[in-house]
Amino acid sequence: QKEVEQNSGPLSVPEGAIASLNCTYSDRGSQSFFWYRQYSGKSPELIMFIYSNGDKEDGRFTAQLNKASQYVSLLIRDSQPSDSATYLCAAPSASYDKVIFGPGTSLSVIP
Amino acid sequence: KAGVTQTPRYLIKTRGQQVTLSCSPISGHRSVSWYQQTPGQGLQFLFEYFSETQRNKGNFPGRFSGRQFSNSRSEMNVSTLELGDSALYLCASSQGQGLTDTQYFGPGTRLTVL
Repeated sequence: QKEVEQNSGPLSVPEGAIASLNCTYSDRGSQSFFWYRQYSGKSPELIMFIYSNGDKEDGRFTAQLNKASQYVSLLIRDSQPSDSATYLCAAPSASYDKVIFGPGTSLSVIP
Repeated sequence: KAGVTQTPRYLIKTRGQQVTLSCSPISGHRSVSWYQQTPGQGLQFLFEYFSETQRNKGNFPGRFSGRQFSNSRSEMNVSTLELGDSALYLCASSQGQGLTDTQYFGPGTRLTVL
């Protein structure tokens, strides 16, 4: 089992809809999680980070963490074509000796 | 504040050669991490340097090495290049609290091995 898993997509949503991106992780000791956005040909940029169970909101983005289920998600409200990118979920290992990235989910927002 | 810079941006080498990539972190950041990104394997952690010392290391062969200088600038070296080393190499800097710190990525160096 891969340590951080994501649906590779592509995920297509109409403009204005809610995009839901999901990530599961196998290392139960992982404590913090990051969501990065990567546009084609560009480097990843941080969208959100979350440490505590529950929801964390930042503008149109909401990260949700459920440590019991080893599940973290990213919701994008009022999706815009400019949100079309690959979204990467990442977590340091429980021993904090490496950062593990998921394979990424490709999101396409259709105008 | 200037972002993370990487040089060169593009590089073409042949098998068996070696290559050195450079990364300058954001001013004040003391940690530099290196990643390899390929379509098949995604983004994989190579190593992290902090205060001129390698603090963490991923699962890559010894052909991949790095170092960090006193000004926090870092270099990564790959010796005896193989075709499979063709990838985007990204460096990321952070303030240095560890791998739970927010990392800021540079634009990357695209390495092609022929």
